Amino acid sequence: GAGVSQSPRYKVTKRGQDVTLRCDPISSHATLYWYQQALGQGPEFLTYFNYEAQPDKSGLPSDRFSAERPEGSISTLTIQRTEQRDSAMYRCASSLSYGQETQYFGPGTRLLVL
Amino acid sequence: AQSVTQLGSHVSVSEGALVLLRCNYSSSVPPYLFWYVQYPNQGLQLLLKYTSAATLVKGINGFEAEFKKSETSFHLTKPSAHMSDAAEYFCAVNPSGTYKYIFGTGTRLKVLA
Repeated sequence: GAGVSQSPRYKVTKRGQDVTLRCDPISSHATLYWYQQALGQGPEFLTYFNYEAQPDKSGLPSDRFSAERPEGSISTLTIQRTEQRDSAMYRCASSLSYGQETQYFGPGTRLLVL
Repeated sequence: AQSVTQLGSHVSVSEGALVLLRCNYSSSVPPYLFWYVQYPNQGLQLLLKYTSAATLVKGINGFEAEFKKSETSFHLTKPSAHMSDAAEYFCAVNPSGTYKYIFGTGTRLKVLA
């Protein structure tokens, strides 16, 4: 597609529920990133994919968080048993390849856990 | 460890005045440096980037930034602020050869009429 898209744009859920966020990167981009941005903070790295491989999950806050990119294009971020502290903006970005290449960001999904 | 510090979470300038948003970084390897802008309800948009070529980098919308290694700084400037420049600005460092962006906490720019 022309840009990075994310859905849903807003998600309100109750504590304990599972949520899945979706990212559709720019079609020619090999690398996809997930970031978490708390209110008043900059985005913080969660994980990234090179095509379908996921070389680094070190930024995921706990084992309740997981991400997939099974066909090397669309990616999902799933949070199981959500907690109030998971409330944040979740941002997806993509780049042609990893390294210094510019990352192009989607509009984000704002998650609110009640 | 790499880090980014943005001084001033909120900056106000008058329309037509100079915009100066400060960014200092620490990096153990030559970094790549970026400024992104976020308008309300939109994603982060790249303003400009430094990737070890010219130290003075020109970006979109009249913004520019200068990489000063001796000061470990990459401040963002614009000679004359427009109302449309009101947004949140993020500085980010990407240590060369890696994939992780490290972002600052952002500076919200307000432009006064």
